[in-house]
Amino acid sequence: DGGITQSPKYLFRKEGQNVTLSCEQNLNHDAMYWYRQDPGQGLRLIYYSQIVNDFQKGDIAEGYSVSREKKESFPLTVTSAQKNPTAFYLCASSTGLYNEQFFGPGTRLTVL
Amino acid sequence: AQKVTQAQTEISVVEKEDVTLDCVYETRDTTYYLFWYKQPPSGELVFLIRRNSFDEQNEISGRYSWNFQKSTSSFNFTITASQVVDSAVYFCALSGGNQAGTALIFGKGTTLSVSS
Repeated sequence: DGGITQSPKYLFRKEGQNVTLSCEQNLNHDAMYWYRQDPGQGLRLIYYSQIVNDFQKGDIAEGYSVSREKKESFPLTVTSAQKNPTAFYLCASSTGLYNEQFFGPGTRLTVL
Repeated sequence: AQKVTQAQTEISVVEKEDVTLDCVYETRDTTYYLFWYKQPPSGELVFLIRRNSFDEQNEISGRYSWNFQKSTSSFNFTITASQVVDSAVYFCALSGGNQAGTALIFGKGTTLSVSS
């Protein structure tokens, strides 16, 4: 089945630690995205990538980093510089920047 | 600047009632796209519809219908004869076709609760 997978589903991190969230898609989509969702809020864009080896900052990129070495994969690293990382993180992909995005199941990150 | 406003934070209805979720958007682009997504309790967003700015024709898909009015910058979503399974958070989103770098701008969502 084609789709987007994110792992892990739940992640706990100690303050000061970096952590990497995985996102893989087998839809052959060129564009991939990372969003953050806080309770009662909409989704806010962290980073997006239109093609391999290229990515752009979204609205809240500070404290995060990404890579896009393969078309299928777009991992997100939450660094210790992110002041309030506890949130629900959603990865998405689309055939193009303005086309409908398809979302993964999300990773819920909690900082202890 | 682009913006999406969903003024209704929460709506509660009883099964079989019709319900309309409002969405108002702001953009300077002449070409843009509007979307609706559903987020059930599991958390994964489900794509419902995409509409471009040149197509103001209303759309109906089963119990779902969408009313797009450029004159009022609105893209409202109606569920007819609501069911308990419709309970979810619904997001309206906008992307600009004239400018790069914005991807999707989401509203804050409307939580719909349908009771039996």
